Amino acid sequence: NAGVTQTPKFQVLKTGQSMTLQCAQDMNHEYMSWYRQDPGMGLRLIHYSVGAGITDQGEVPNGYNVSRSTTEDFPLRLLSAAPSQTSVYFCASSYVRAVTTEAFFGQGTRLTVV
Amino acid sequence: QQQVKQSPQSLIVQKGGISIINCAYENTAFDYFPWYQQFPGKGPALLIAIRPDVSEKKEGRFTISFNKSAKQFSLHIMDSQPGDSATYFCAASKGSGYSTLTFGKGTMLLVSP
Repeated sequence: NAGVTQTPKFQVLKTGQSMTLQCAQDMNHEYMSWYRQDPGMGLRLIHYSVGAGITDQGEVPNGYNVSRSTTEDFPLRLLSAAPSQTSVYFCASSYVRAVTTEAFFGQGTRLTVV
Repeated sequence: QQQVKQSPQSLIVQKGGISIINCAYENTAFDYFPWYQQFPGKGPALLIAIRPDVSEKKEGRFTISFNKSAKQFSLHIMDSQPGDSATYFCAASKGSGYSTLTFGKGTMLLVSP
């Protein structure tokens, strides 16, 4: 059982380049999210989705786009990379039960924009 | 506005000691409070969680204490081990069903041998 898979693990971009961070989950979770992690800032929500075809903005959405065409995949697109987007990006999928909600995180993508 | 405040930022504890990490929240609509543990190079993983209908939850060496009136909750790690060295995040979410998680800024714990 792979869980949440993120690719690539590392990426270096030049300012202005575009790229897509891939995220796939095999747990049939309806809910998926993207976070960025910066030193001293914790995890900040970028975008999230509550099901295929439904997405919404989180705390820091500017500069990022998402789409959710299938339950399994939730790619994050950077249209024009900026040095301020240098960060570690985590994708998570979640299930909801009566008592608890657990988010399962991928291993992360470390992105450097030069 | 930081909705979940976490302290300390870093913590050094001797092996066998008690590690205590504190969090405070502002939004009274929050009703689910998980703690996540993250090792270097890995994604966070759920460690333990609590809902406000109980004041304490214990799982092995890990305990959450919850004070609803003070809007505070804390993680206690008993008999801390070097393998517990990691970054710990508290978080909060609100409402029934799915709700996004709001995280604290994290505490880097080092347990010295």
